[in-house]
Amino acid sequence: EAQVTQNPRYLITVTGKKLTVTCSQNMNHEYMSWYRQDPGLGLRQIYYSMNVEVTDKGDVPEGYKVSRKEKRNFPLILESPSPNQTSLYFCASRDLGGSGNTIYFGEGSWLTVV
Amino acid sequence: QKEVEQDPGPLSVPEGAIVSLNCTYSNSAFQYFMWYRQYSRKGPELLMYTYSSGNKEDGRFTAQVDKSSKYISLFIRDSQPSDSATYLCAMSITGANSKLTFGKGITLSVRP
Repeated sequence: EAQVTQNPRYLITVTGKKLTVTCSQNMNHEYMSWYRQDPGLGLRQIYYSMNVEVTDKGDVPEGYKVSRKEKRNFPLILESPSPNQTSLYFCASRDLGGSGNTIYFGEGSWLTVV
Repeated sequence: QKEVEQDPGPLSVPEGAIVSLNCTYSNSAFQYFMWYRQYSRKGPELLMYTYSSGNKEDGRFTAQVDKSSKYISLFIRDSQPSDSATYLCAMSITGANSKLTFGKGITLSVRP
């Protein structure tokens, strides 16, 4: 079954405590990305990666880091989380061939920073 | 003007109603248009995908694109309570590797 798996699904953390949200996909997709979804603001792209070792900023990259050492994994790192990073986060992967606009989303990670 | 504008909602309709969801956009370079459905506490999933102006039908769902007016719509016929979800429009300039720009989404509730 095609899947994008992200963990943790729910997390409450304190300001400044580094955390990593993992993301893994089993579809051999080259393209992966991270979004945050906030009420009234919709889905906004944080970072994306076109392939291994290739990453680029999206619309709201401040305060986030990513890495793409393997094709299947694309972790999101918050080095020093702040309350304004409280949000619902989605990892996604995309098939760049064929119907290149079919994005597969993970189930989401609810992050609260206190 | 935002690149993609979507009716904010929320929208509540009785079961069996015809639902019309709309998005407008400002960037005439957009060529690919999608509708995603997002159930509560789940990730969005692709519902409809269209490339050109015109209509595309899939069961009870019809996606309509009017590039001259920069306007896209999703119609849901015979709406069901299971259609209750948030619907997001999305669009991109090229197919494979360009960024998707999403609307903010509209929450639809279908009352039994």
